[in-house]
Amino acid sequence: AQTVTQSQPEMSVQEAETVTLSCTYDTSESDYYLFWYKQPPSRQMILVIRQEAYKQQNATENRFSVNFQKAAKSFSLKISDSQLGDAAMYFCALRDSGYALNFGKGTSLLVTP
Amino acid sequence: NAGVTQTPKFQVLKTGQSMTLQCAQDMNHNSMYWYRQDPGMGLRLIYYSASEGTTDKGEVPNGYNVSRLNKREFSLRLESAAPSQTSVYFCASVAGGSSYEQYFGPGTRLTVT
Repeated sequence: AQTVTQSQPEMSVQEAETVTLSCTYDTSESDYYLFWYKQPPSRQMILVIRQEAYKQQNATENRFSVNFQKAAKSFSLKISDSQLGDAAMYFCALRDSGYALNFGKGTSLLVTP
Repeated sequence: NAGVTQTPKFQVLKTGQSMTLQCAQDMNHNSMYWYRQDPGMGLRLIYYSASEGTTDKGEVPNGYNVSRLNKREFSLRLESAAPSQTSVYFCASVAGGSSYEQYFGPGTRLTVT
């Protein structure tokens, strides 16, 4: 069975600072994809960043980057220069062979001025 | 191009009532999904449809039925609503093949009293 674990229910960061959200996962498959989704109060699920397991290079999207440690099955999200609009729930997700996503329980990110 | 649409956005039901949540996508995607989101639980897969004419159970299918009416539409039916089905429901779709990004609808908040 595939599992995704987010061990930080809540995190806080000051505006302009950097924060890292943790995610670990477990899968028996060798080919998989990992995602971070953002869910603001509007509840719309927004894709932040994705990582293909076969790629060694860590994915980066503007202020968002990941630290993908395949052997350790770890997939953390780093948000640089945090902005008030980054405040949201963040979900780590693993895609299995059936294309469905397995989600972690989420981390609530608070951004303070 | 509206993406993934869901109706209704909000619904209140009494225990034992039935209702159907509607989902449609205009991106010509093959696969469609229904998730539920409960506080502290992330998103959990209810049912999915890998292609038109096929449906399969996910992690939490009990109490639900689905219909893949055509390639565009994938509905979720609650035959006899229970308070435990109070949740936010998300529909999603993905193109399939080498594509892996899931596109989510805006969600339906359902309360069963």
